[in-house]
This record gives sequence, structure tokens and C-alpha cells, in this order.
Amino acid sequence: QVQLVDSGGGVVQPGRSLRLSCAASGFTFSSYAIHWVRLTPGKGLEWVAVISYDGLNKYYADSVKGRFTISRDNSKNTLYLQMNSLRPEDTAVYYCARDGSGGYFGTLDYWGQGTLVTVSS
Amino acid sequence: EIVLTQSPDFQSVTPKEKVTITCRASQSIGSSLHWYQQKPDQSPKLLIKYASQSISGVPSRFSGSGSGTDFTLTINSLEAEDAAAYYCHQSSSLPGTFGQGTKVEIK
Repeated sequence: QVQLVDSGGGVVQPGRSLRLSCAASGFTFSSYAIHWVRLTPGKGLEWVAVISYDGLNKYYADSVKGRFTISRDNSKNTLYLQMNSLRPEDTAVYYCARDGSGGYFGTLDYWGQGTLVTVSS
Repeated sequence: EIVLTQSPDFQSVTPKEKVTITCRASQSIGSSLHWYQQKPDQSPKLLIKYASQSISGVPSRFSGSGSGTDFTLTINSLEAEDAAAYYCHQSSSLPGTFGQGTKVEIK
């Protein structure tokens, strides 16, 4: 069955970096765009970034543009989110989610279990 | 950026009651509107796709309607297990955006 497993979260000081991973199984990973979405306390769900199935196209929310980088390794069925210059407002549970449409304008039909990132001094 | 506004923010409901949650988009998004349920300490779960299309495995008491800018999620005959936050999400254009969420509590 389709499974996405998020990892890499933790407690980090402002200005530092962290890399999240999302390991996929149960489907042809290289055929789907994958998104990162975060759940922030008191603000709900926020879309963060998306990467196309082949890794050639990437889009970011304005709030993370220039600081976060989404990437993927289709040979390892793994998605990444490199987060630099972290801010307290980046504190959230981060989820990877598969785009069910084949492109990146569809439903988020499967989600990882989430990984908690806490940015605090 | 397309803004989605949900109402209400919070609803306290008795079991077997009907629940209606609305989602309004700041511009027309056709039918590119999806609904998710999120229970505490769980990841979001897709309930309804493209405004009104049902999802395999989701109870039939959940239904969706609407197009353009106004959308509705209906839960007929609420059950205790439906206590959760509900979010709408538009995929018409990037950045994808979510409504602020509606928390449904069971009385």
C-alpha cells in the first residue's frame, strides 16, 4: 500500500539548518509530484513547496522562498526539504503529501505521518 | 494567491445532527476544491475531491458541493468519531492554499 514516512525533525536554534526526508513506498514514486505541507500551531495547514515527478520543476511559498530547497532522489524513492536560516515561525509539523493528479494541481491523496520541527533558542 | 475562508471556525454538535461547513474562495477556482479531515496527532485525510467526488473508504455521510467560489462540506448524522478539524484546499493555482480550518466538537 502507499506509504510516506517523514523524518528529520527536531529542535534547532534560529538561523540554523535542518533537512527533512520523506521515504516513499507502495507506488511508482518517479511518476508523482510531491508536496510539503506544514501544520503550525494556531494557524492550521500551510502549503510549503512542491516538486515535479522528475525533479525539474519546483515551487515555493513566499514565506520560505530563498531559505528552503525541495529535492528528490527517484533512485532512492525519497523526497527532501533542506531548511536553512530557520525562524521561530517555521515551528510546525511538516508533512510530505503525494499529488494524486499526475501534475501538481491535484488532490493530496496520501500523507506522511509528519515530523515536528521546533525552532527555539 | 487565492484565499480560502471557511465558516464557522468552530462548531459544537450533538451526535446525529447535520453539520455544514462552507469554504469561500477569493476568486473562481472551478471545481478544484478538496476537503480534508485531521484528527489530533494524525495526518490529514482526504475526504472529498474536486468539490463533490467521493473517496473510496470514506463514509457516505460525508458529501461536498459547489463550484466557482462557494463550496460546502456536509456531514449527515454526525458520529462521535467525526470530531476533528476540517480543511478545504484549492489546487487551481500555485501556491496551493488551505482554509483556516473548522473544528468540530461533539457535545
